[in-house]
Amino acid sequence: EAQVTQNPRYLITVTGKKLTVTCSQNMNHEYMSWYRQDPGLGLRQIYYSMNVEVTDKGDVPEGYKVSRKEKRNFPLILESPSPNQTSLYFCASSLLASMNTEAFFGQGTRLTVV
Amino acid sequence: GQQVMQIPQYQHVQEGEDFTTYCNSSTTLSNIQWYKQRPGGHPVFLIQLVKSGEVKKQKRLTFQFGEAKKNSSLHITATQTTDVGTYFCAGTRMNRDDKIIFGKGTRLHILP
Repeated sequence: EAQVTQNPRYLITVTGKKLTVTCSQNMNHEYMSWYRQDPGLGLRQIYYSMNVEVTDKGDVPEGYKVSRKEKRNFPLILESPSPNQTSLYFCASSLLASMNTEAFFGQGTRLTVV
Repeated sequence: GQQVMQIPQYQHVQEGEDFTTYCNSSTTLSNIQWYKQRPGGHPVFLIQLVKSGEVKKQKRLTFQFGEAKKNSSLHITATQTTDVGTYFCAGTRMNRDDKIIFGKGTRLHILP
């Protein structure tokens, strides 16, 4: 089954404790991206990757890191999480580097930083 | 920077009534996509519009892309409880198709 898998689905952590949210897709997609969703603000892009070893900042990259060492995986790293990073996070992938193709979203990761 | 504005933010309708959400961009778009997110779920792709003035239908849903490729709408005829959720538009700028900008979404609530 074609899917984007995020882990964990829920996470409560403390300020400053490094964490990684994993994202994996099994569709051989080139394009992957991370979004955060906050009430009233919609989906905001954090980082995106057009292919292996190619990443770029989205609209709200501060406090986040990503890597794309393999085509299927695109982890989101919070080196020193802060309470303002409490949010619902979605990973998405698309077939081509161009966004003119359908985006498939993961199930989401609800992160709480206390 | 480019913004994609979506209105209304919330809409309550009686079951059976029609519903429309509008999306407006400050710049010309190469394409626009629509997604639906059910409560507690993740966004799911509905459709993509590419051509100026394009109209597409999916059963009770009608999608339009404006002639200037700066605005779009989603119209649902005779809403049903299964239509509940948040509808997002997402646009890609001309000559800048590596970035997609999402509208803030319209949350649709159906009153039985």
